[in-house]
Amino acid sequence: GQNIDQPTEMTATEGAIVQINCTYQTSGFNGLFWYQQHAGEAPTFLSYNVLDGLEEKGRFSSFLSRSKGYSYLLLKELQMKDSASYLCAVVDGTALIFGKGTTLSVSS
Amino acid sequence: ETGVTQTPRHLVMGMTNKKSLKCEQHLGHNAMYWYKQSAKKPLELMFVYSLEERVENNSVPSRFSPECPNSSHLFLHLHTLQPEDSALYLCASSPQTAGSTDTQYFGPGTRLTVL
Repeated sequence: GQNIDQPTEMTATEGAIVQINCTYQTSGFNGLFWYQQHAGEAPTFLSYNVLDGLEEKGRFSSFLSRSKGYSYLLLKELQMKDSASYLCAVVDGTALIFGKGTTLSVSS
Repeated sequence: ETGVTQTPRHLVMGMTNKKSLKCEQHLGHNAMYWYKQSAKKPLELMFVYSLEERVENNSVPSRFSPECPNSSHLFLHLHTLQPEDSALYLCASSPQTAGSTDTQYFGPGTRLTVL
């Protein structure tokens, strides 16, 4: 079956670093996306990994290990505006399978 | 960001009503998608259209009926819905035909409440 797991909630303070983990078990794998979704808004693209390793993009980095079925999103120098839900999604064939999302709350 | 627009943004309807959700993408993409987002649940893929042809229907009840008249517009026709259908309905589009690993661009969603 299809299963994507992420923590439900996380909290952190401004300026800190936070790592959001995602583990997946899917019948197929053609890559993994991370999306950010602020409350009441559309999910927006953050990163895409298809090969093992770390992809860095500014304050955000994403890591993938296909053998372990594992990815993480690393957010550095946290800002209040980073408070949002972070969605992990795996490309399986023609479909994008989403996890339930991790709600990150950043406090001052 | 106005790449993918959805109307209405909020909709309240009774179980006997018929309504339609509209999605329009201004990005020149070839694939369009309908997702359902319920509280505490993952986004659920409902329908996929590629070059105006439906390529996927994820066991969605027939009270939801999609329509894709052209590659820029996607509709979701609703009739005799149930209260458990209350959710955020998101539309998305991607550049190439469905099945590729292109990034999907989402609209802001329609918040639907069924009374």
